[in-house]
Amino acid sequence: NAGVMQNPRHLVRRRGQEARLRCSPMKGHSHVYWYRQLPEEGLKFMVYLQKENIIDESGMPKERFSAEFPKEGPSILRIQQVVRGDSAAYFCASSPIASTGDTEAFFGQGTRLTVV
Amino acid sequence: GQNIDQPTEMTATEGAIVQINCTYQTSGFNGLFWYQQHAGEAPTFLSYNVLDGLEEKGRFSSFLSRSKGYSYLLLKELQMKDSASYLCAVRDQSGGYQKVTFGIGTKLQVIP
Repeated sequence: NAGVMQNPRHLVRRRGQEARLRCSPMKGHSHVYWYRQLPEEGLKFMVYLQKENIIDESGMPKERFSAEFPKEGPSILRIQQVVRGDSAAYFCASSPIASTGDTEAFFGQGTRLTVV
Repeated sequence: GQNIDQPTEMTATEGAIVQINCTYQTSGFNGLFWYQQHAGEAPTFLSYNVLDGLEEKGRFSSFLSRSKGYSYLLLKELQMKDSASYLCAVRDQSGGYQKVTFGIGTKLQVIP
């Protein structure tokens, strides 16, 4: 029973390039959260998705950032025209249902993006 | 919206007990989580509280008071490997859906 899989684990991009971060939730999980963590800081919520729907993107920067969770395949966080300030660890978490219970979110190992 | 506060850093001695506090403000509270995060790694789940009271799990316990918007994580018999960040997270459902928001985390250093 594989956990939440994120790839790549490390990604280096030059300023102006695009970064694509992938997240495959745990089997049976249909809810995905993306968080960003800057060095020495806490997790900042970016976006919450269900299959084919963006539920809450209040934490996403207005420009250059987008996310999707298609019916088939992993969730993708896309950052266009990256800048140095985008360098951070990006964590994906998944959960099975959203309604009740101690259904904690399980985290992937994160993608560490470095913009040079 | 939500506001979650916890101390940024704490230091404690190996073998001792440490309490990490978390206060929150939310309009649709539906559970509080504590996660542990070692440097460079993913957060891992420690505990969950949705009703008032204490939940004990081995060396770790977590307490919740919903009326006070307050929780604490208690770590007993501290070990060096407990040096990590401890994240308080609140689940809110005021928007008609569930959303988990994290505090900035408390960096705990355990010293000999």
